[in-house]
Parts: sequence; C-alpha cells; structure tokens
Amino acid sequence: DARVTQTPRHKVTEMGQEVTMRCQPILGHNTVFWYRQTMMQGLELLAYFRNRAPLDDSGMPKDRFSAEMPDATLATLKIQPSEPRDSAVYFCASGLGFNSPLHFGNGTRLTVT
Amino acid sequence: GEDVEQSLFLSVREGDSSVINCTYTDSSSTYLYWYKQEPGAGLQLLTYIFSNMDMKQDQRLTVLLNKKDKHLSLRIADTQTGDSAIYFCAEMDSSYKLIFGSGTRLLVRP
Repeated sequence: DARVTQTPRHKVTEMGQEVTMRCQPILGHNTVFWYRQTMMQGLELLAYFRNRAPLDDSGMPKDRFSAEMPDATLATLKIQPSEPRDSAVYFCASGLGFNSPLHFGNGTRLTVT
Repeated sequence: GEDVEQSLFLSVREGDSSVINCTYTDSSSTYLYWYKQEPGAGLQLLTYIFSNMDMKQDQRLTVLLNKKDKHLSLRIADTQTGDSAIYFCAEMDSSYKLIFGSGTRLLVRP
C-alpha cells in the first residue's frame, strides 16, 4: 500500500529551538498539503503545493514558519524559533492533482516546552 | 469564508446504524469527503461524493448529499466497536483547498 510518510513521529523541544518536519508524499502525487491539528482549532490548513510550487501559505505564521519542496519526494515544514503555542500534531497529505482525495500521513506530534 | 459544521458527539449501540451529519457553505464545492481518524493516527479517507450525485453506497457506508440544503450525511450500517473514531466531513473549495469540519466523535457501545 502506498502511503505518505512523515518523520519524526514525535518531537519534544525547548522554546526557541528550530524544528524541521519532513514528509514523503506518495510517489506520483503532485499536490502536497500541510495541516495542523489542535484540540482548540481543529484542522487548520497551513500551506499547499502543486508540482512543488507553493500555491497558498496564508495559513502559516510567516515570521517563524516556512514550507518547501526541495524535490518531488520531499516536503519540509520548519519552525524557527519554536514557541509553546506551536505544540500540535502536524499532518502532511498528498493527492494526484486537484479534485482528487488527499491521503494523509500519520503526523508529527510536536511538543514545545 | 467557507465553513463546515458537524455535531461533536454521537453514541450508538453496536449493531445499530449511525448517521453523522454535516453542513457546508461553499456551493461551488465539487467534491465532499468523509475521513476517519483513530487515536494517534492520521486521517483515513473513507469515501467521497461528487457534487452532481445525491447518493453513494460503499459496503456499510452510505453517503447522502442534499445540494440544495448543503447537507451531507454518512450512514454506517451495522455499526461495530471498531467504528469508534472521529469522523471528519470536508469540502474541496473553489481554490482546491480541503476545508474540514470539527469532527464528530462516534462512540459505539457494546
């Protein structure tokens, strides 16, 4: 079964540290989405890409968050510097073009102390 | 902006049918989706329906779409304890973003 792979599964870090989360989309998928899930806000869209180009990152705090796709097999989400309010589960999802369902990874659970 | 709303909680007895409801606001939505999330896991795509359909059946799952009222429902027949999870409704808006509801927690009692 093809699946979206996210690393690490868990990350605990101190406030002010840089955090990098990685995502390997399903081979052949050309859209990649980053979502953040918290109890209070539910699922929030942070950014999404099509054919490695960023289409919308308006959901992301620009001063500390950055999302990139260095190549078609890797998407990264960085937080620098991290803050306790960034604690959440971050999900990556990929799809085969628009109007196709998204397939989610198992997420990175981030805890910032 | 777009909004997707769901009730927060549903409790049913094992063997009964479950119906989870969802309303959305974007009338230009082309596809509507149901995802399932189990504890500690990502979102698993259950089923989806194209906006020009009004019903889709897939084994124990039946999706009903009322486009006029912007109402979507998911019916699970013969609900099992393994169906206990959070169910998310989502719409794909005109800019191809997937907008999720807050999720309905389904509890199946033995």
